[in-house]
Amino acid sequence: DTGVSQDPRHKITKRGQNVTFRCDPISEHNRLYWYRQTLGQGPEFLTYFQNEAQLEKSRLLSDRFSAERPKGSFSTLEIQRTEQGDSAMYLCASSHDSIRSYEQYFGPGTRLTVT
Amino acid sequence: GQNIDQPTEMTATEGAIVQINCTYQTSGFNGLFWYQQHAGEAPTFLSYNVLDGLEEKGRFSSFLSRSKGYSYLLLKELQMKDSASYLCASGGRGSTLGRLYFGRGTQLTVWP
Repeated sequence: DTGVSQDPRHKITKRGQNVTFRCDPISEHNRLYWYRQTLGQGPEFLTYFQNEAQLEKSRLLSDRFSAERPKGSFSTLEIQRTEQGDSAMYLCASSHDSIRSYEQYFGPGTRLTVT
Repeated sequence: GQNIDQPTEMTATEGAIVQINCTYQTSGFNGLFWYQQHAGEAPTFLSYNVLDGLEEKGRFSSFLSRSKGYSYLLLKELQMKDSASYLCASGGRGSTLGRLYFGRGTQLTVWP
């Protein structure tokens, strides 16, 4: 399978715990995006990497959230001191910066439930 | 954001044609996207319009009018498997290049 993969697919955690999600983009894609989606809403942009550089962060991304892409390949999204409001589907997407750069391919998402 | 507005729900019958409208804020516009999302699954890319006019791709077509800040997605010969949420999104530009601004999605139900 050469699509975008995310791990884990589901995560249940207690309020106050830290969680980390991983995204592996399509191998030749150098752009990587994180979005968050809650029920009945469209995805909301969180952050974006070009290679290993984090180029943009949404104001939605509080200081409890941090994302990394250390070698320009996979990325991790960490949420510290989780809150119930963090419960959502966390989607990762990737694209190429020159070949059909407008087309973002989404992974299956990580569904986070904070109890 | 880009003030994306689209209807919340639509219904149609198998074999029919349905048009899903979307309006967006024209300032900072950099392309209009349509994605399909089945329940519990990731969004999948359907179309991208950056110039005015109609783009046809099989049973799906997408239209854009930049001056009016308006787009629609046209689905022909509807099938049951077309029941899904259809997300309209605009692309950022300048400092927000790379991000997509999504609407809430239009939940389409196709009845037999």
